[in-house]
Amino acid sequence: DVKVTQSSRYLVKRTGEKVFLECVQDMDHENMFWYRQDPGLGLRLIYFSYDVKMKEKGDIPEGYSVSREKKERFSLILESASTNQTSMYLCASTGVESRGGTEAFFGQGTRLTVV
Amino acid sequence: QKEVEQDPGPLSVPEGAIVSLNCTYSNSAFQYFMWYRQYSRKGPELLMYTYSSGNKEDGRFTAQVDKSSKYISLFIRDSQPSDSATYLCAALYGNKLVFGAGTILRVKS
Repeated sequence: DVKVTQSSRYLVKRTGEKVFLECVQDMDHENMFWYRQDPGLGLRLIYFSYDVKMKEKGDIPEGYSVSREKKERFSLILESASTNQTSMYLCASTGVESRGGTEAFFGQGTRLTVV
Repeated sequence: QKEVEQDPGPLSVPEGAIVSLNCTYSNSAFQYFMWYRQYSRKGPELLMYTYSSGNKEDGRFTAQVDKSSKYISLFIRDSQPSDSATYLCAALYGNKLVFGAGTILRVKS
């Protein structure tokens, strides 16, 4: 019953490394999102994509980039990881369901630690 | 002003109590409203969603939306210690998805 899958649950990377976080959804959803979640700050939107090769900046895009080459896959890239990017990263997707409603589903999260 | 406001709590209740979790939103364009439950160190899981105004019930959970007052509620009946988690409300229209900060709920046995 898995709908949104993130490639890693836990990652430890060194400062300055380039980091790739992968997200795959199997619901043919148009919209995909990347958030980070930090204690006391809630969910903050980094980037979202409403179609293949389309992307929009969210509230905190600095230090991140994204790639959406295929509809089912949305990648988050940390160009040069820094310690302040240590966080829980969550991917979500939304789309029109077969019943006509709209739902949003999350991946299980990737806890990234930058040392 | 945040588009979706939610009291972070924590909210502490005894087992068996009725829990009321609430959010307000400011953008009248929002059409879909969702509640998520998030256990520690896990991703949020969708509990319920509603379209426009009205109530929706699923077991011990009832979601309520009042678009006239821009108010979203989640009620949990007969609360259990296993309901202890962070609950996030969310509002959606088109490709705009906005979350509340989340309310920490603790149900004591």
